[in-house]
Amino acid sequence: DAMVIQNPRYQVTQFGKPVTLSCSQTLNHNVMYWYQQKSSQAPKLLFHYYDKDFNNEADTPDNFQSRRPNTSFCFLDIRSPGLGDAAMYLCATSRVVTPTDTQYFGPGTRLTVL
Amino acid sequence: LAKTTQPISMDSYEGQEVNITCSHNNIATNDYITWYQQFPSQGPRFIIQGYKTKVTNEVASLFIPADRKSSTLSLPRVSLSDTAVYYCLVGDWSNTGKLIFGQGTTLQVKP
Repeated sequence: DAMVIQNPRYQVTQFGKPVTLSCSQTLNHNVMYWYQQKSSQAPKLLFHYYDKDFNNEADTPDNFQSRRPNTSFCFLDIRSPGLGDAAMYLCATSRVVTPTDTQYFGPGTRLTVL
Repeated sequence: LAKTTQPISMDSYEGQEVNITCSHNNIATNDYITWYQQFPSQGPRFIIQGYKTKVTNEVASLFIPADRKSSTLSLPRVSLSDTAVYYCLVGDWSNTGKLIFGQGTTLQVKP
């Protein structure tokens, strides 16, 4: 089945140690999104790629970066994780960039910062 | 993007119909209403979307009154597996693909 895959499902890192989260999709969608979801809160959009075009949300900290080397893969890099960055990170995809187009979410990567 | 307001939590029993109402008083002409469901430790999943009147699919129904300032997600005969957080989102088809999630409604289905 076509899907959005996130690896790893659980990631532990140390304070200040760079970490990379991975997302891949078999849907061949043009758009890939990264969301941050802290405990008991709603998902919050960090940024998205439309093909190779990167779109950063205004309030996304510089500590968060992203790469999309090809259509199928997208990475979230956290350059210097702080304790406040502990959260579930969700990757999603859609065909185009409109709210009416369904976004398909992966299972998420839960990041713990020690 | 229009702001949405939902009840923080709801309880129900298996077999009952559940109606979750979302308020979006400043909805714009081009805005669509979309509902997502999220189970613990999983990503959100699209349930249903509508613009006006009533939309029904195999999972739920969405009722939107003529003024579109609110909408109601209806889940028929819920089961324990419907326990989840339900998010109401309002977005403009002519805008970016941003999904701005509100606080969501935590539905607890009891046996």
